[in-house]
Amino acid sequence: GAVVSQHPSWVICKSGTSVKIECRSLDFQATTMFWYRQFPKQSLMLMATSNEGSKATYEQGVEKDKFLINHASLTLSTLTVTSAHPEDSSFYICSARGGTSAFFGTGELFFGEGSRLTVL
Amino acid sequence: AQSVAQPEDQVNVAEGNPLTVKCTYSVSGNPYLFWYVQYPNRGLQFLLKYITGDNLVKGSYGFEAEFNKSQTSFHLKKPSALVSDSALYFCAVRDKENNFNKFYFGSGTKLNVKP
Repeated sequence: GAVVSQHPSWVICKSGTSVKIECRSLDFQATTMFWYRQFPKQSLMLMATSNEGSKATYEQGVEKDKFLINHASLTLSTLTVTSAHPEDSSFYICSARGGTSAFFGTGELFFGEGSRLTVL
Repeated sequence: AQSVAQPEDQVNVAEGNPLTVKCTYSVSGNPYLFWYVQYPNRGLQFLLKYITGDNLVKGSYGFEAEFNKSQTSFHLKKPSALVSDSALYFCAVRDKENNFNKFYFGSGTKLNVKP
């Protein structure tokens, strides 16, 4: 099946530093990837949509300069939290949708395992 | 606008009993509906989907869901719950109008299955 790998699973950093989270599609080409943020006991909040080779589309209220998203290849998207602050601490989850093959024609998303960010 | 609602924050059921996790939707046109499960500190795992066809959809781990157009519902069910089913369950609808890629998730329902 379609596998999405996310790294790192856990990261602890000091306030003011930047953290990069990687999301890789291991066995398929992901033309579109999505980044979600999840607060404790809450649902997923879509942060942005990234399409390979073009700029990410951010949801309303999400700071573009704060959360840098790059989707430079069909198998890799990165989320960089710049100048992180304690309020950025959260669980970040990426997901991917493949191309137009029959396998992906029904449109479900495939999710990474998530990255727990703690900013001290 | 597309949305789904999960009216129950938590569902408690004894092992071996049937379980139902509720989901209602609000969409324009025919919906694409999904159920996902999340275990602690993990990503979401796909369970099942309704795109078209039979209203009763069968998915992973013995789960099924019934699409009911008149009640705009897509409840998740399992005939006999297992303790290992305890997790957080999300209903989702895929946007077919403005952004074909966008998914809208419900607030989640925590399922507790007790031995």
